[in-house]
Amino acid sequence: SQQGEEDPQALSIQEGENATMNCSYKTSINNLQWYRQNSGRGLVHLILIRSNEREKHSGRLRVTLDTSKKSSSLLITAPRAADTASYFCATGRDDKIIFGKGTRLHILP
Amino acid sequence: ETGVTQTPRHLVMGMTNKKSLKCEQHLGHNAMYWYKQSAKKPLELMFVYSLEERVENNSVPSRFSPECPNSSHLFLHLHTLQPEDSALYLCASSQDGGTGELFFGEGSRLTVL
Repeated sequence: SQQGEEDPQALSIQEGENATMNCSYKTSINNLQWYRQNSGRGLVHLILIRSNEREKHSGRLRVTLDTSKKSSSLLITAPRAADTASYFCATGRDDKIIFGKGTRLHILP
Repeated sequence: ETGVTQTPRHLVMGMTNKKSLKCEQHLGHNAMYWYKQSAKKPLELMFVYSLEERVENNSVPSRFSPECPNSSHLFLHLHTLQPEDSALYLCASSQDGGTGELFFGEGSRLTVL
């Protein structure tokens, strides 16, 4: 299906250690986006990577896309306690955006 | 003004009540969306409006009725809901629909008793 599936479902990382989340999907896509959601709040767009791009950076975020493996990763370098949130990948195709279930990231002080 | 504003933030209603959720966007976008977020489930797209015309209705029960009077406002009218409809309802907007970046509101937490 187009829906991305994040891995792991939950992740606890010590402050300062890099945090990596993965997203896998099954169909071809036009683009893939990552969003962040603090508990009970709305989603905030982090980064969009197009199907012809392999890597993209935004501040402490690094996103990769491997269309041959149908997977993407989100790396947060030197995470802080404030980065504790749920992170969702969303695949875009045929004017539809489909979200995965998300990874709950907990940064330990 | 924040980009996308949703009211109310919290709503408790009985199964026989009629209530409405409101969404307003100040970004000049042409497309607006309603999503439902339940525990341990992916975000579910409910409705999409592009230039005030409904372009997507993902088999949502008729007890949910959307209304888009103009490109800045979106409503979700609720009637005879069930307890399983309790969820966080998120409104979003995007420039032109399609697969571009979505801008979300803070959500309306709905509890159906």
